[in-house]
Amino acid sequence: DTAVSQTPKYLVTQMGNDKSIKCEQNLGHDTMYWYKQDSKKFLKIMFSYNNKELIINETVPNRFSPKSPDKAHLNLHINSLELGDSAVYFCASSRGDRVNQPQHFGDGTRLSIL
Amino acid sequence: SQKIEQNSEALNIQEGKTATLTCNYTNYSPAYLQWYRQDPGRGPVFLLLIRENEKEKRKERLKVTFDTTLKQSLFHITASQPADSATYLCALTDGGTDKLIFGTGTRLQVFP
Repeated sequence: DTAVSQTPKYLVTQMGNDKSIKCEQNLGHDTMYWYKQDSKKFLKIMFSYNNKELIINETVPNRFSPKSPDKAHLNLHINSLELGDSAVYFCASSRGDRVNQPQHFGDGTRLSIL
Repeated sequence: SQKIEQNSEALNIQEGKTATLTCNYTNYSPAYLQWYRQDPGRGPVFLLLIRENEKEKRKERLKVTFDTTLKQSLFHITASQPADSATYLCALTDGGTDKLIFGTGTRLQVFP
C-alpha cells in the first residue's frame, strides 16, 4: 500500500564501507529523485531520473552512484563512506519531469557513519 | 546569492488561532511554489502548489499566497489544531534547471 518505500530505514556502518539504499514507487510515476537532508534539516536534491534516464546530477561526489533498473526503482550506491555522509536520504517520485508536479517522498533512510 | 528563508524559530500558537508561516526568496524567479509538511522521522508530504500567476490557493483550512513582487509566499492554517504541529517546508522551482529548491522549514507547535 506504501507509495514510495525505501530500505533500509536505518543504516549504521563504518567509514570506508560501501552501502546501498533501495527505493521503489508504486504510483506509476515517471520521475524519481534522491535528496539528502542534513543535521540542520536542509533538504537538497542529489539526483533525478526520468524513465530511467539521468536528468539532474548535482555537485555530488562520484562516490555516490544512482542506478535505475526500471522506472519504478531508483537505488543509491555509496562507495567509501565518509563521516560527512551521515544524513537522512529521501527518495521521491513525481508524475512527469517538470517541477510543476507534487513530489511524493519516502520516509527516509537514516545513515550513520561511525 | 540565492536564498530561500523561512522563520528558523519555532512558531507557537494556541489551538483555534490562525498560523501564518512566511517564505521569502532572493534571486530566484520561480514559476511554481510548493508547500510541504514534515513530521519527525517521516518524509515531506505535499500540501499545496501555487503558480506565479495565481495570487492565492486554498485547500480546506489551508491557504497559500504568492507575491512575486515581494518575493514572498505566506502559508496560513486557519482554526489550527494540535495535529497541525509539524515542520512546514516551502519549495520553489529553479526555472533554469527545473529543480525544486527547499527552504529549511518552520516548526509549528499548536498547543491546546
